[in-house]
Amino acid sequence: AQTVTQSQPEMSVQEAETVTLSCTYDTSENNYYLFWYKQPPSRQMILVIRQEAYKQQNATENRFSVNFQKAAKSFSLKISDSQLGDTAMYFCAFMKHNYQLIWGAGTKLIIKP
Amino acid sequence: GAGVSQTPSNKVTEKGKYVELRCDPISGHTALYWYRQSLGQGPEFLIYFQGTGAADDSGLPNDRFFAVRPEGSVSTLKIQRTERGDSAVYLCASSLTQELSYEQYFGPGTRLTVT
Repeated sequence: AQTVTQSQPEMSVQEAETVTLSCTYDTSENNYYLFWYKQPPSRQMILVIRQEAYKQQNATENRFSVNFQKAAKSFSLKISDSQLGDTAMYFCAFMKHNYQLIWGAGTKLIIKP
Repeated sequence: GAGVSQTPSNKVTEKGKYVELRCDPISGHTALYWYRQSLGQGPEFLIYFQGTGAADDSGLPNDRFFAVRPEGSVSTLKIQRTERGDSAVYLCASSLTQELSYEQYFGPGTRLTVT
């Protein structure tokens, strides 16, 4: 069975610093997608970034980038120049072949002014 | 354009009662997903629809849970004989198709509290 593990329940950094959130997953599949979602207190799940497993190049979206290590089954999220608005729960998710999203338990990120 | 909407935003019900949770997907999205998020946890998959049919309902926890999407747009998640363990946020998402490459867009969820 596929699983997603986020080992950091909570992290906090100062505004403008860089922070890295960890995620590991377990699967026997070769073709899949990985996602990072942000969930602010409003509960709305917002896609931050996604990575196709067949692409070696790490995905980037402005201040957000990933370090995808397929062999190690690791998918970490780096947030550069962190902003107060980045404060939220961050979830790592894996998409199975049948389109289900399998989620980690989340990391609570606090950006301090 | 309008995003995914869910009603009600919050629902409080007594143990044993029946509840219905509604999801309005983004117009034109053929795939629709339901997830359940318990306090302090990540979401768990419940069911997904491709059009009107339930393509995968393997995540429904038991036969008290049922979902429909009769016209391929709005979906209703129905829970019979609610139990306190059903208390959670129920999230709905839609995507343009069920292909892997298409993003799932989420609604704000319905917080269900069973007393």
